[in-house]
Amino acid sequence: QVQLVQSGAEVKKPGASVKVSCKASGYTFTTYTIHWVRQAPGQRLEWMAWIHAGNGNTKYSQKFQGRLTITRDTSATTAYMELSSLTSEDTAVYYCGRDRVFDPWGQGTLVTVSS
Amino acid sequence: DIVMTQSPDSLALSLGERATINCKSSQSVLYSSNNKNYLAWHQQKPGQPPKLLIYWASTRESGVPDRFSGSGSGTDFTLTISSLQAEDVAVYYCQQYYDTPYTFGQGTKLEIK
Repeated sequence: QVQLVQSGAEVKKPGASVKVSCKASGYTFTTYTIHWVRQAPGQRLEWMAWIHAGNGNTKYSQKFQGRLTITRDTSATTAYMELSSLTSEDTAVYYCGRDRVFDPWGQGTLVTVSS
Repeated sequence: DIVMTQSPDSLALSLGERATINCKSSQSVLYSSNNKNYLAWHQQKPGQPPKLLIYWASTRESGVPDRFSGSGSGTDFTLTISSLQAEDVAVYYCQQYYDTPYTFGQGTKLEIK
């Protein structure tokens, strides 16, 4: 079955970077986009970016431009989300999802930013 | 950005009752060239990631029970659960994928009375 499995929880200090992975299985990885969304405590879901797993094209939310990088490794059928210059406001659960309707969602990765 | 506003914020109903959740977008998400509404509904149960229920405003995802239905067009949409079951306790989100940044409603928490 189609599945997205994300890497485990992370604790980072302010100013650091975090890299979250999203491994896809059960479908042809290169024919879909992978999207990233986050859910901070008490906040609504916030779309961050997408990458086309085939050609590597990307689109970022302006909010994260400059400190967000999404990449993919087609041989590993894995997408990556790297967020730099972390602050406490980046504490959230980060999700990947296949295609713009998130079909399916990954299980989520909690990133905690704390000194 | 397209702002998605859901109502109500929370809802408590008895088992077997009909649940209706509304979602309004700040601009139309109907693409005239294909007559499709770029609107999805997701269900998030406690401690779980969200799950896609409905896309194109009214197409049920495979495996989703037929008590779930979506309707609406343009800027006004509705998710209906025809007969509430205990397993439907969750937060429900609408999402527009008409234009980036894709945006979500604030969520509607559905509980059993």
